[in-house]
Amino acid sequence: DAGVIQSPRHEVTEMGQEVTLRCKPISGHDYLFWYRQTMMRGLELLIYFNNNVPIDDSGMPEDRFSAKMPNASFSTLKIQPSEPRDSAVYFCASSSGRPNRKGNTEAFFGQGTRLTVV
Amino acid sequence: ELKVEQNPLFLSMQEGKNYTIYCNYSTTSDRLYWYRQDPGKSLESLFVLLSNGAVKQEGRLMASLDTKARLSTLHITAAVHDLSATYFCAVDGGGGADGLTFGKGTHLIIQP
Repeated sequence: DAGVIQSPRHEVTEMGQEVTLRCKPISGHDYLFWYRQTMMRGLELLIYFNNNVPIDDSGMPEDRFSAKMPNASFSTLKIQPSEPRDSAVYFCASSSGRPNRKGNTEAFFGQGTRLTVV
Repeated sequence: ELKVEQNPLFLSMQEGKNYTIYCNYSTTSDRLYWYRQDPGKSLESLFVLLSNGAVKQEGRLMASLDTKARLSTLHITAAVHDLSATYFCAVDGGGGADGLTFGKGTHLIIQP
């Protein structure tokens, strides 16, 4: 498996524009997570899905942020309108939620999307 | 609210030395994770600790978990330059894969 795939890897946009980040989880994983990483706040969980259904979106900072998972192999995180303070690295991660043969249930992270809003 | 605290947040050490990174968390959890992140890269899973007293080792790194003390440690033995990275501990806030709460990370620099 290629792992969790995110696109784009880098995005530079002007304030007020709509930004869409994309994620393809590992095949067979039931859980998908969106995290944001900044120097000031570290890694924060924004939202997660189980079987394509949003379970907890309490980490989504504002109504400008929305996330969807139309099917098991694709999710989007959209920011509209974007603001400079949204600049961060956004990670998508997926997990099976069930222990593997080693008893592990860790989440696997994508390479991240570095977003810069100017 | 689950809180995860790591210390130190920054550590510079020489090759060959031993050191320990500490991770405290605020509520009951029986799943603790250690991740490594290189600059500009993603997070790489190092260890998953699932029960009290769990100890796992991989090369020069060893992680342990004390759920009663709500403490995990990541011990580095005879450090080498390649271990320079930022190390995060994370705790599963729910009974399943409910998303992780991360510590702020320990930025580790190992000098020759």
